[in-house]
Amino acid sequence: EAGVAQSPRYKIIEKRQSVAFWCNPISGHATLYWYQQILGQGPKLLIQFQNNGVVDDSQLPKDRFSAERLKGVDSTLKIQPAKLEDSAVYLCASSFPGQPGEQYFGPGTRLTVT
Amino acid sequence: QKEVEQDPGPLSVPEGAIVSLNCTYSNSAFQYFMWYRQYSRKGPELLMYTYSSGNKEDGRFTAQVDKSSKYISLFIRDSQPSDSATYLCAMGGGKLIFGQGTELSVKP
Repeated sequence: EAGVAQSPRYKIIEKRQSVAFWCNPISGHATLYWYQQILGQGPKLLIQFQNNGVVDDSQLPKDRFSAERLKGVDSTLKIQPAKLEDSAVYLCASSFPGQPGEQYFGPGTRLTVT
Repeated sequence: QKEVEQDPGPLSVPEGAIVSLNCTYSNSAFQYFMWYRQYSRKGPELLMYTYSSGNKEDGRFTAQVDKSSKYISLFIRDSQPSDSATYLCAMGGGKLIFGQGTELSVKP
């Protein structure tokens, strides 16, 4: 069974530039999550989708971050404009509905903002 | 006070040692408790998942939950160099809240 796919794996941008990350969840997983993991910390949930609807985006900085999951499968997370403090690993995870404890994570995208 | 507290370590043990990793939490509404393992430059990997107080064993790993004390533990028996990673506790009632992670190094 294929795991959660993410791209790109690494990205370096300058502050005020924009960047987008892509995620393809495990087949059949209707729930998709985006997390931000700052070095030395645990992942922090940014947004959760159930199919193509948003379940929780309470910790998403909506002035600069946006996410979509138009067809209920793939998802993109965008940052515009980026700030230095956005340097982190952006993790995508997926799970079956009603099983939030059994999340499967992708390898992450390591973002460096200079 | 953070909802989930985890000692960041680092923790260094010799091969074959028993390792104890711990987390405390403040929200009594948390219903499920997990341990994830994260190797360097990889995504977290689910190790153990439990709903209830008590012990759950899987091979060399034992997860323990004490809801009355709001305390969870992960024990690793006969630790191996391949166990060297960061261990993250996670818990929730809806969304997951992760601990900071404990960096473990098992020396041959």
